[in-house]
Amino acid sequence: GAVVSQHPSRVICKSGTSVKIECRSLDFQATTMFWYRQFPKQSLMLMATSNEGSKATYEQGVEKDKFLINHASLTLSTLTVTSAHPEDSSFYICSAPIARGYTFGSGTRLTVV
Amino acid sequence: QKEVEQNSGPLSVPEGAIASLNCTYSDRGSQSFFWYRQYSGKSPELIMFIYSNGDKEDGRFTAQLNKASQYVSLLIRDSQPSDSATYLCAVKNRIISYNNNDMRFGAGTRLTVKP
Repeated sequence: GAVVSQHPSRVICKSGTSVKIECRSLDFQATTMFWYRQFPKQSLMLMATSNEGSKATYEQGVEKDKFLINHASLTLSTLTVTSAHPEDSSFYICSAPIARGYTFGSGTRLTVV
Repeated sequence: QKEVEQNSGPLSVPEGAIASLNCTYSDRGSQSFFWYRQYSGKSPELIMFIYSNGDKEDGRFTAQLNKASQYVSLLIRDSQPSDSATYLCAVKNRIISYNNNDMRFGAGTRLTVKP
């Protein structure tokens, strides 16, 4: 139980375009979703916290106009990387808090060319 | 001081040996402790969690918690090449909680098990 489905798993896009990443909680309601970014051989970096029905909370240094987060329902949170640039290429992971710990989506490898 | 500290490694052990991964934390009020395994290019997956002082065993894995010394460790017995991954230590200040960003992750220790 407590599965978060994340799509797409891999995306390549052109510089200047936008990419949407979806995370769905399959068998539970996730009122909160955490969005992380991870560069190669580095640790998870929390970008923002989305809460169903309210504005997301962004970590310091994360541009909220560039990384748009929507949490419109109890089972779906989305992250849109707007006007993507090569430096946005990274591994993006969502996670939801559960009774014990967090459950993670499978991650999205974004490559901006 | 980082909230959760781990030796980044890499830690290299031969196949069949015991791998010992350590983690220290700064918040003395921390209540629950987790070990996640992350394979390269994949997202973290939970291996074990522990709340009480002492040892907790699950198959080849043993988590050890010492709240007085503020450290938690993970032992992997009979290490296999398939155990090669990055192991993340995580700490929460509540045993059961929802919706709160109260989990703190260490940077992870890279483990390599050589055949």
